[in-house]
Amino acid sequence: AQTVTQSQPEMSVQEAETVTLSCTYDTSESDYYLFWYKQPPSRQMILVIRQEAYKQQNATENRFSVNFQKAAKSFSLKISDSQLGDAAMYFCAYSGRGSTLGRLYFGRGTQLTVWP
Amino acid sequence: KAGVTQTPRYLIKTRGQQVTLSCSPISGHRSVSWYQQTPGQGLQFLFEYFSETQRNKGNFPGRFSGRQFSNSRSEMNVSTLELGDSALYLCASSLGTGTGGGETQYFGPGTRLLVL
Repeated sequence: AQTVTQSQPEMSVQEAETVTLSCTYDTSESDYYLFWYKQPPSRQMILVIRQEAYKQQNATENRFSVNFQKAAKSFSLKISDSQLGDAAMYFCAYSGRGSTLGRLYFGRGTQLTVWP
Repeated sequence: KAGVTQTPRYLIKTRGQQVTLSCSPISGHRSVSWYQQTPGQGLQFLFEYFSETQRNKGNFPGRFSGRQFSNSRSEMNVSTLELGDSALYLCASSLGTGTGGGETQYFGPGTRLLVL
């Protein structure tokens, strides 16, 4: 079964600084997709970034970028120039094919605090 | 485009009652997935529907059921409510055009259910 592990329950960063959130996953599939979602206090889950496993290039979205290491099954999220609005719970998620259709496997989340 | 909507947003029920939650996907999306979020268990997948058919199901008891209508709107029902069913219930929609995984899921704001 696919599992997603986020080893950092909490992280904090100073405004304008950079922070990296860690995620590892376990799968026997060769083709899959990885996501980072953020969940602010409103509880609305918002997509941050998406990575296709067959692509070597790391995905980026403005201040958000990932470090995808397929062999190590690692998928970390880097937030540059952190802003107060980045404070949220961040979830790493995995999506495969076949029997896992329509299903996201989530980690337990990392609560990010941004200090002014 | 309007986002995913869920009704009601908040619900209080007593043990033994049943409840029905509704989810309207983004226009054009044909896949709807449901998740339960609790502090203890995190985000857990309930089921996924595509074109009125359940394609995938998580490990929940039969008290949890769902359906999808021809306009892609989906409902989930929980019968004989238990205290442990208190949770945030999230639905997410995706295009559902592929037979593989990896489609981005867009989440609604959730329905917070409290069982007394």
